[in-house]
Amino acid sequence: NAGVTQTPKFQVLKTGQSMTLQCAQDMNHNSMYWYRQDPGMGLRLIYYSASEGTTDKGEVPNGYNVSRLNKREFSLRLESAAPSQTSVYFCASRNDPGGHRSPLHFGNGTRLTVT
Amino acid sequence: GESVGLHLPTLSVQEGDNSIINCAYSNSASDYFIWYKQESGKGPQFIIDIRSNMDKRQGQRVTVLLNKTVKHLSLQIAATQPGDSAVYFCAETVSGGYNKLIFGAGTRLAVHP
Repeated sequence: NAGVTQTPKFQVLKTGQSMTLQCAQDMNHNSMYWYRQDPGMGLRLIYYSASEGTTDKGEVPNGYNVSRLNKREFSLRLESAAPSQTSVYFCASRNDPGGHRSPLHFGNGTRLTVT
Repeated sequence: GESVGLHLPTLSVQEGDNSIINCAYSNSASDYFIWYKQESGKGPQFIIDIRSNMDKRQGQRVTVLLNKTVKHLSLQIAATQPGDSAVYFCAETVSGGYNKLIFGAGTRLAVHP
């Protein structure tokens, strides 16, 4: 099993450009998440999807959109990138039907720089 | 490799010693706790978890202790090895709501030979 796979690993964008970060998990997990990680600020939740067909905002959703394409895939889109979106983005998943407690499994991240 | 936190507290230990990493959590209603390890350039990796109805749980070379009275969590690593060098995060889940995880800022563990 590959676990959680994110593409691309690195990306440089100019201000105003758009891009989609891809994430796929092969663990049959129901929930999927997008976080950003900035120095000194820890992991902050952007959006999550508790199940296929649902998405909800996290702490810092502004400037992002998401799509839960199917049970395996959850993409994050930046429509018009800004320098403030320079960060490391992590996708994560877990199996937590009905709020069952279980750990998140993370991918290895996409390192995005917006100039 | 990149740094995940430029100003994180750092714990320096000698190889072979035991390490104790501490975490104060924020919400007395939290009912589930997780420790993660993050190496440079990688995503957080699950180490061990504990539910609020327990005060201790052991894994391979790691032990998590939970003190609900003072809202404190600790991770003990036995016989610390160079491969244990990383940033360690605790996370708490508040009961109710959407099963949200709240992450701590992290502690950097530096293991010296």
